[in-house]
Amino acid sequence: GESVGLHLPTLSVQEGDNSIINCAYSNSASDYFIWYKQESGKGPQFIIDIRSNMDKRQGQRVTVLLNKTVKHLSLQIAATQPGDSAVYFCAENEDTGRRALTFGSGTRLQVQP
Amino acid sequence: DSGVTQTPKHLITATGQRVTLRCSPRSGDLSVYWYQQSLDQGLQFLIQYYNGEERAKGNILERFSAQQFPDLHSELNLSSLELGDSALYFCASSVGQKANYGYTFGSGTRLTVV
Repeated sequence: GESVGLHLPTLSVQEGDNSIINCAYSNSASDYFIWYKQESGKGPQFIIDIRSNMDKRQGQRVTVLLNKTVKHLSLQIAATQPGDSAVYFCAENEDTGRRALTFGSGTRLQVQP
Repeated sequence: DSGVTQTPKHLITATGQRVTLRCSPRSGDLSVYWYQQSLDQGLQFLIQYYNGEERAKGNILERFSAQQFPDLHSELNLSSLELGDSALYFCASSVGQKANYGYTFGSGTRLTVV
């Protein structure tokens, strides 16, 4: 397939289990965070975002947690499905200064049926 | 379909050559961002244009250039191509100048330099 061939950490889960994907960031001025999903052959797709005035935000089957103290972000996927198999990237930005999102290195999620 | 259109989807060219990648942003979006995704680097920001003007620059090589036209489509020009330029090139668009509402990506152009 159209794999980007990235050398990524891989998380392998069973279908129906919950998945947790982690991301560390280094810029203490970052105040906006996004999770993107990239399926084979496609561009990154927005999943969920969170601003620094929040610790948790929920979407459909997904939850993002932000710990500003340790500069850590996580994405939780409930009842993981085969269609969730993809590479997941966290991205961050600060409201002032830089205008482009900075992306983390990504995690490959493999869902075993 | 994300609404961001990139052409061509695939491009194979020889070292030393020049290519042009094209991006049409989502309707209503004024900003265009270019990213390179290669094996070892993940998604690297290259350059941003907003309403025809360059707004931010990332790790873009001098051999690379870009522009945004009055109809808001953008082109990324890559010249004197090297094997290491082989990568996926993504375009993304957003409404405003800042990325603090995220942006929408196209499906990318896969460039192979041989």
